[in-house]
Amino acid sequence: GAVVSQHPSRVICKSGTSVKIECRSLDFQATTMFWYRQFPKQSLMLMATSNEGSKATYEQGVEKDKFLINHASLTLSTLTVTSAHPEDSSFYICSASSGFTYNEQFFGPGTRLTVL
Amino acid sequence: AQSVAQPEDQVNVAEGNPLTVKCTYSVSGNPYLFWYVQYPNRGLQFLLKYITGDNLVKGSYGFEAEFNKSQTSFHLKKPSALVSDSALYFCAVRDVEGDNFNKFYFGSGTKLNVKP
Repeated sequence: GAVVSQHPSRVICKSGTSVKIECRSLDFQATTMFWYRQFPKQSLMLMATSNEGSKATYEQGVEKDKFLINHASLTLSTLTVTSAHPEDSSFYICSASSGFTYNEQFFGPGTRLTVL
Repeated sequence: AQSVAQPEDQVNVAEGNPLTVKCTYSVSGNPYLFWYVQYPNRGLQFLLKYITGDNLVKGSYGFEAEFNKSQTSFHLKKPSALVSDSALYFCAVRDVEGDNFNKFYFGSGTKLNVKP
């Protein structure tokens, strides 16, 4: 199956700093990428959907100025957590889709963010 | 709106016994249904999908799922469970209409425990 990578896998930062997480589709062109947040023992919460070359669409309740998403190419999307706070600590997962109706989403391995 | 429900938070089964993880769905239009598995601190791995055709779908690692339109269910099954199957399982439905095209909606997840 298609491979999606995420970098870094783990990051620890101080409160008030910004953190960038990269999501790459390694062997296919991802017209759409999704960013999810997962709390311990809970399901995935969709944060935003990004289509290559256009602005991301954020889900209700997700601050777009805090969670900056860029999808500049068909293989790369980035999520930047700005002015991170301890409550932003979470597991962030990206997924990518080539956009055809029947295609499943391919998930990255996730990034564990810890804000001190 | 599309949604899926996983009524069981946890399923316990002995190794070698058959397992079933339940999922029911609510969709407008044709359902596009998926099962994913998540191991600790990892992203989601695709197991199988139902788009159309045979109601019994076979997927990775010996898993299969049965699409039942009258009961609006898509239960995940395996004839003989392995200890290594212990993980978190998510059912998902893909939206294929309007502004939500391509969005996935995940169930709450079911933790499968396979005991030796």
